[in-house]
Amino acid sequence: TQLLEQSPQFLSIQEGENLTVYCNSSSVFSSLQWYRQEPGEGPVLLVTVVTGGEVKKLKRLTFQFGDARKDSSLHITAAQPGDTGLYLCAGARSGNTGKLIFGQGTTLQVKP
Amino acid sequence: EPEVTQTPSHQVTQMGQEVILRCVPISNHLYFYWYRQILGQKVEFLVSFYNNEISEKSEIFDDQFSVERPDGSNFTLKIRSTKLEDSAMYFCASSLAGGPAREQYFGPGTRLTVT
Repeated sequence: TQLLEQSPQFLSIQEGENLTVYCNSSSVFSSLQWYRQEPGEGPVLLVTVVTGGEVKKLKRLTFQFGDARKDSSLHITAAQPGDTGLYLCAGARSGNTGKLIFGQGTTLQVKP
Repeated sequence: EPEVTQTPSHQVTQMGQEVILRCVPISNHLYFYWYRQILGQKVEFLVSFYNNEISEKSEIFDDQFSVERPDGSNFTLKIRSTKLEDSAMYFCASSLAGGPAREQYFGPGTRLTVT
């Protein structure tokens, strides 16, 4: 069974703090995508990482793919209330047909 | 900015009835997908579709489910005889390219409630 485990599941922090969300698996993925999902809406793509060790930045968000392509992290610097939401990681296996395996998500609350 | 659209946003149906969920993928995309999310659970893959054929389907996607691209713009998911456990958010997604770096863009979802 291919699983992606996200931690922590819930995170409540004050505005201005930094945080890191982790996405781990025992399986190798050919790529990993991070999404943000608001209640009652579809996941919105934030970033795709493909190469082991790859780091991508999106404003205050930094995404890293592990060297072995089994894990990924999302780091947010100086969190803002607008960052509040559900963050999902999703992995694709090599040679497959686009099937994404999703983690259970990390719910982030940033208090003003 | 191009986006995936889905209709209806909410569908209520009785157990045993057929439902068709509709999606309009991003216009130049070639790969299409359906996922579902039962309340409080993970997003789960149902099926991928390319070149008018199913590329892969999950164990959830049994004989009660079918997909179709009836014209150049729509992509539909049909559930022939709905069960209570089919109640979920159903998301359509599309991507331009295949391969490991394919980026999937999701629609806003259809909430299906089976009573």
